[in-house]
Amino acid sequence: GDSVTQTEGQVALSEEDFLTIHCNYSASGYPALFWYVQYPGEGPQFLFRASRDKEKGSSRGFEATYDKGTTSFHLRKASVQESDSAVYYCALVDTNAYKVIFGKGTHLHVLP
Amino acid sequence: NAGVIQTPRHKVTGKGQEATLWCEPISGHSAVFWYRQTIVQGLEFLTYFRNQAPIDDSGMPKERFSAQMPNQSHSTLKIQSTQPQDSAVYLCASSLEGNQDTQYFGPGTRLLVL
Repeated sequence: GDSVTQTEGQVALSEEDFLTIHCNYSASGYPALFWYVQYPGEGPQFLFRASRDKEKGSSRGFEATYDKGTTSFHLRKASVQESDSAVYYCALVDTNAYKVIFGKGTHLHVLP
Repeated sequence: NAGVIQTPRHKVTGKGQEATLWCEPISGHSAVFWYRQTIVQGLEFLTYFRNQAPIDDSGMPKERFSAQMPNQSHSTLKIQSTQPQDSAVYLCASSLEGNQDTQYFGPGTRLLVL
């Protein structure tokens, strides 16, 4: 079945550091790819999506580019802030479908 | 602009009791989804309604779990005879017709079965 693999566990950075969270997917079709962010006590929040090869999604300074060749959708941010501390989920939805398949999540800690 | 509303936010039940969780989707959203979140399994799809009709319940445990959507403004997830392994955060999400892949989540109900 379809699956998403992302940087496991926790990532600790200092403010203004560059962030990369790796995400690779496996799908039989041509899925739409997503990043969600989850803060404590809240549900996952839609961050952005991309649905075509080479399409870039972005929001709040975060960005990721759909790469069909390497089946990747890595999350990047040039300069993180303490307020970015949260759990980030890479996800996919297969073509003409609706079921969101989530990765295991990456817990980002940004130290002041 | 209210998001998805879930009640209660926290629920504690004894083993064998029934738990009913409520979800109010975003107004105008015709698709409603339920997911379960645990440390071990992560986020798992449970079931999906479109225009109140059940479309896919493939993620629902076959026994004890049921979901309904009696009207466009609310859905319920019922767990009968709760077991400790049912302890999880249950998340409801909604989306617009024709854009079901972009889903907006509620804050979840944290269920603890003692």
